[in-house]
Amino acid sequence: SQQGEEDPQALSIQEGENATMNCSYKTSINNLQWYRQNSGRGLVHLILIRSNEREKHSGRLRVTLDTSKKSSSLLITASRAADTASYFCAMGANSKLTFGKGITLSVRP
Amino acid sequence: DAGVTQSPTHLIKTRGQQVTLRCSPKSGHDTVSWYQQALGQGPQFIFQYYEEEERQRGNFPDRFSGHQFPNYSSELNVNALLLGDSALYLCASSWREISAGTEAFFGQGTRLTVV
Repeated sequence: SQQGEEDPQALSIQEGENATMNCSYKTSINNLQWYRQNSGRGLVHLILIRSNEREKHSGRLRVTLDTSKKSSSLLITASRAADTASYFCAMGANSKLTFGKGITLSVRP
Repeated sequence: DAGVTQSPTHLIKTRGQQVTLRCSPKSGHDTVSWYQQALGQGPQFIFQYYEEEERQRGNFPDRFSGHQFPNYSSELNVNALLLGDSALYLCASSWREISAGTEAFFGQGTRLTVV
């Protein structure tokens, strides 16, 4: 089955810096969705980008999608300590979501 | 507007027992999907329910079964529990199946521990 791969696996930055997280996938998708998870709790939906879109913004989030390279990136600008969490990309295809293993983001105060 | 709600939040069961987890989808959503998330891993798709029928199934044994009710809520049942079934079980709701513009929203999950 299709798998997503996030990169890096872990990221540590200072508050106020930007965080960039990457995701690659293997087969065609309808959309790609990014989620945040705090301490093993539920997933919080951050942003969805459709396969025919190249870039999307939501507040401090910017997501890009390159279907030719089968990759996406999530940029969080002006990071805050509260952004500390695990981040997952999820590929929407065949009526379901397939997740990567996630990226652990630590934002130091 | 209530989001996706799951119950219970935590559960401890003994090997061989059976468990039922419950999910109420976000208002306006009619499709429920279940995912299993082992520690340190991403969620894995178990199955999806729409119009009270199982529409898709991931690579999980028949010990995992489900149900969807007319009000769109859903149950996940796991029989003959194994230690390896210990995980966070997540319910996601959406309006119809995942297509180009379909966002899926998740509940807080049920943490199942099998001892």
